[in-house]
Amino acid sequence: QKEVEQNSGPLSVPEGAIASLNCTYSDRVSQSFFWYRQYSGKSPELIMSIYSNGDKEDGRFTAQLNKASQYVSLLIRDSQPSDSATYLCAVGFQKLVFGTGTRLLVSP
Amino acid sequence: DVKVTQSSRYLVKRTGEKVFLECVQDMDHENMFWYRQDPGLGLRLIYFSYDVKMKEKGDIPEGYSVSREKKERFSLILESASTNQTSMYLCASTLVGDRGDSPLHFGNGTRLTVT
Repeated sequence: QKEVEQNSGPLSVPEGAIASLNCTYSDRVSQSFFWYRQYSGKSPELIMSIYSNGDKEDGRFTAQLNKASQYVSLLIRDSQPSDSATYLCAVGFQKLVFGTGTRLLVSP
Repeated sequence: DVKVTQSSRYLVKRTGEKVFLECVQDMDHENMFWYRQDPGLGLRLIYFSYDVKMKEKGDIPEGYSVSREKKERFSLILESASTNQTSMYLCASTLVGDRGDSPLHFGNGTRLTVT
């Protein structure tokens, strides 16, 4: 059974701080890694994708991938209250496996 | 922008009813998926399809069937709805990339309640 593990949280950070979200996965042959944001009652929306080891930056978001350690993370710099949501890690190849998500709370 | 449209936002059905959930995408994507999402269990794949008339079981296909007669439309069918099928249902689509690495695009979801 392919697994994707995330800490359910909530992860609480003050406004302006860096939020660090982590994800581990079990399937070593995984090639595609995604972070989705999901607001309560809404469907997931893509935040970041990463396919190679290292860092990938997009605005306030940085995704980090370490295939040797089977670890992918998402950093959110200058966190805003509007970033408060559940963040889903998804791993795989076409047929993605999702983690259960980490709930992030950013307090003003 | 890719648009994935699910026909109903909320549905209430009775136990034993046959339920159809419809999903249409407008970007000529080959792959379409049906997930259900439950608190503490995350997103679980029910069925997916790589092409018209093709379907493959996901992780939890029991009690469900699917239909894909046209490329843009993927239907999820609950043959005889049961209370344990009360859930949020999410449809998604994606292109077939060279590495199969195109991200999923989700519809708005259908919250189904079976009473």
